[in-house]
Amino acid sequence: KAGVTQTPRYLIKTRGQQVTLSCSPISGHRSVSWYQQTPGQGLQFLFEYFSETQRNKGNFPGRFSGRQFSNSRSEMNVSTLELGDSALYLCASSSRQGQGGELFFGEGSRLTVL
Amino acid sequence: DQQVKQNSPSLSVQEGRISILNCDYTNSMFDYFLWYKKYPAEGPTFLISISSIKDKNEDGRFTVFLNKSAKHLSLHIVPSQPGDSAVYFCAGTSGNTPLVFGKGTRLSVIA
Repeated sequence: KAGVTQTPRYLIKTRGQQVTLSCSPISGHRSVSWYQQTPGQGLQFLFEYFSETQRNKGNFPGRFSGRQFSNSRSEMNVSTLELGDSALYLCASSSRQGQGGELFFGEGSRLTVL
Repeated sequence: DQQVKQNSPSLSVQEGRISILNCDYTNSMFDYFLWYKKYPAEGPTFLISISSIKDKNEDGRFTVFLNKSAKHLSLHIVPSQPGDSAVYFCAGTSGNTPLVFGKGTRLSVIA
């Protein structure tokens, strides 16, 4: 079955702009989580959505937001981009809320902020 | 506060030898641990996991050991192969909480 699909794979923005990233989970998975990966910081949890509701949120400023649609697809938005937002943004899906185990990751969206 | 620590950013091992990747955690509520492997330009993929009720879990060449008293786990790869060269992330969780990842260890297996 198809894996987790993230679009776009690469994008370049300038400071102050906003960006929207998209994630389609594995068919049947209702939980979608987002992580930010930066060099030296590993994977940092942004938020998790299950059945269109945000269930958990990481320690990121309010400029980072997300949502989930009825078909379980998810988007995350970053407003007023800063240089430090340059990172690989990973989406992961799971069949259970709260992850509780194995996550299936997409290939990520690499954002560069100039 | 870094709840999951992988203190070795990199590790080099010769092909055929054992690779040992270490991970320490501080959150005593964690009851489930996972290892993920990541190749460049790909997302992390699940490798192996262990529940806190066990102290060892084996899957082929991969074995994870858990020492709860020391809040330490390790991943052993025997024998190491060049295709194992990747970044390995350790993660912990409790109940329905999000996975908390370490910063990763880059393993290089030299032929």
